[in-house]
Order: sequence, then structure tokens, then C-alpha cells
Amino acid sequence: DGGITQSPKYLFRKEGQNVTLSCEQNLNHDAMYWYRQDPGQGLRLIYYSQIVNDFQKGDIAEGYSVSREKKESFPLTVTSAQKNPTAFYLCASQRLAGVNEQFFGPGTRLTVL
Amino acid sequence: AQSVTQPDIHITVSEGASLELRCNYSYGATPYLFWYVQSPGQGLQLLLKYFSGDTLVQGIKGFEAEFKRSQSSFNLRKPSVHWSDAAEYFCAVGDGMGNQGGKLIFGQGTELSVKP
Repeated sequence: DGGITQSPKYLFRKEGQNVTLSCEQNLNHDAMYWYRQDPGQGLRLIYYSQIVNDFQKGDIAEGYSVSREKKESFPLTVTSAQKNPTAFYLCASQRLAGVNEQFFGPGTRLTVL
Repeated sequence: AQSVTQPDIHITVSEGASLELRCNYSYGATPYLFWYVQSPGQGLQLLLKYFSGDTLVQGIKGFEAEFKRSQSSFNLRKPSVHWSDAAEYFCAVGDGMGNQGGKLIFGQGTELSVKP
């Protein structure tokens, strides 16, 4: 089955530690996205990538970093510079030819202890 | 700048009653519009989308939405709500063009509760 996987489902981190969230898709989609979701604030775009080895900052990129070394993978690193990292993180992918919807993964809940 | 407003943060309806969730957008050109649903702790699932053509769009799970350009709205409707429809609903707008690519702007979401 084609789809998007995110791992782990739950992640706990101590303050001051970097942590990497995994996102993999086998839909052969060009574009991938990372969103942060907090209660009552909807989805906010962190980073996105439309092609391998290229990515752009979204609205709340500070304290986060990404890489896109392979078309199917778009890992997100939450660094110690992110002041309030506890949130639900969603990855999405999208085919760019024409106009298309984004497909979402199941999410990773990150809690900083 | 593009924006999406969902005026209702939380709505409660009785099972079997009709439902309408409101969505207003601000966008200078022809928008591409989406409704997604999210169950607690899960990812988002696409309910329906509007790109062009017939302004009444049918989606999955018995949902429909109507694009009204004059009102800048794209309200989601369902004639009879089931308990399993309890979830959070997001409206989104995108242009799919230029250097914005496929970026979407999401509303804040409307949480739907269903009374037995």
C-alpha cells in the first residue's frame, strides 16, 4: 500500500537535546512538508521541499532543520534552539504536476521533559 | 495575503441532525479549496476538494461543500451526522502555482462533537 509513514508515534526528549523525526513516503511525490500542530492553532508550516537537495523555510522554521537527500525521505530535526518543542508534528507529501491535495502521515507527538 | 477563517471553534450537534461547518477565505485569484478531517491523535484525511467546475462538490463519508465566490466561502455540509463524524475539521486554500508550489494555508479548525 502506498502512503506516508512517520516514526516514532511518541517521542520524549530532555531539554537541551536534539531529536530527529522520520518521514517516509512511497507515493513518488515530489513535494514534502512538515507542520506543527498545537491545540487551537491549526497547522503551521515549518519547512517544505519540492525537489531533492532543496528545501524552503515555512512560517515557523526557527529551531528546526531538515534535509532532503532522497525523494522519499524528509526528516525533521528539532534542535535545542526550539524554545517550546512539545507539539504534534505532521508530515505531508504532494504530487506537484497540476494541482493536487496533500497526503498526511499519522503524526509524531513530541514531549519535552 | 492568503488566509482562511473557520469562525466556529467548537460545534455540537445531535446524531441524525444536519451539519454545516463554515469556511471563509481571502485570496486574490481563483482559489483551490480543501476540507480535511482529523481524528484525535491521527493525521489528516481529505474529505473533498474544489479546483474548478461545478461549485457543489461531493466528498467521502457523505459530505459535500459549496464554493460561493461572491461570499468567499466554502462551507462543508452533511445532511445527517453520525457519531463517528466527531472529529476536527480543517478548511485549507492553496494556489498550486508559482514559487508557492502546492503550499496550503489552513484554518484554525472546527471541533465537532456529536450528541447521542
